[in-house]
Amino acid sequence: DSGVTQTPKHLITATGQRVTLRCSPRSGDLSVYWYQQSLDQGLQFLIQYYNGEERAKGNILERFSAQQFPDLHSELNLSSLELGDSALYFCASSVSGFDTGELFFGEGSRLTVL
Amino acid sequence: SQQGEEDPQALSIQEGENATMNCSYKTSINNLQWYRQNSGRGLVHLILIRSNEREKHSGRLRVTLDTSKKSSSLLITASRAADTASYFCATDDGNNRLAFGKGNQVVVIP
Repeated sequence: DSGVTQTPKHLITATGQRVTLRCSPRSGDLSVYWYQQSLDQGLQFLIQYYNGEERAKGNILERFSAQQFPDLHSELNLSSLELGDSALYFCASSVSGFDTGELFFGEGSRLTVL
Repeated sequence: SQQGEEDPQALSIQEGENATMNCSYKTSINNLQWYRQNSGRGLVHLILIRSNEREKHSGRLRVTLDTSKKSSSLLITASRAADTASYFCATDDGNNRLAFGKGNQVVVIP
């Protein structure tokens, strides 16, 4: 158990819909990272937050947004969903926001868009 | 963003044999990490090697880093069936982004 909690574990929705994925980092970790894993794209870095502030941005679509709340949990919002958004979405956390050391991953949220 | 590339992509070995995977990257890095992922599960950190280190050991794992060739290798010695998983290298480019390679699928046959 990494200590990182992601909900929901599975989500099935329709194209055009909006979903929110939630992540609680390990106790004491200030950084939260979001990754998307699909068969064709592999693991893609989406975005990183450190202590409530956006720290780094990757291949995140404009239809996607994220935030980190004062209690350090994070949410990833996916809107106007397309079939291609079907993937496993991982949250990871780490202590530091300045040097990417060991990341602790959650078990992921599997999104299926029909 | 840069991305590690593992080679070979899939490896099938007998229990007790050693498994070696390679990873190459394109630009300078702060550190390189290896992760394991069991099917459909979250990734688990195995080992981190910094750019000024050449070799690191952790239990049955040995990682080497050659910054002149921009490559790393992961050796798993005396493999076990429980080592069956996908193995990813990931590089930190100094911009708070950890970029992952496509992964190596390793199957250890009992």
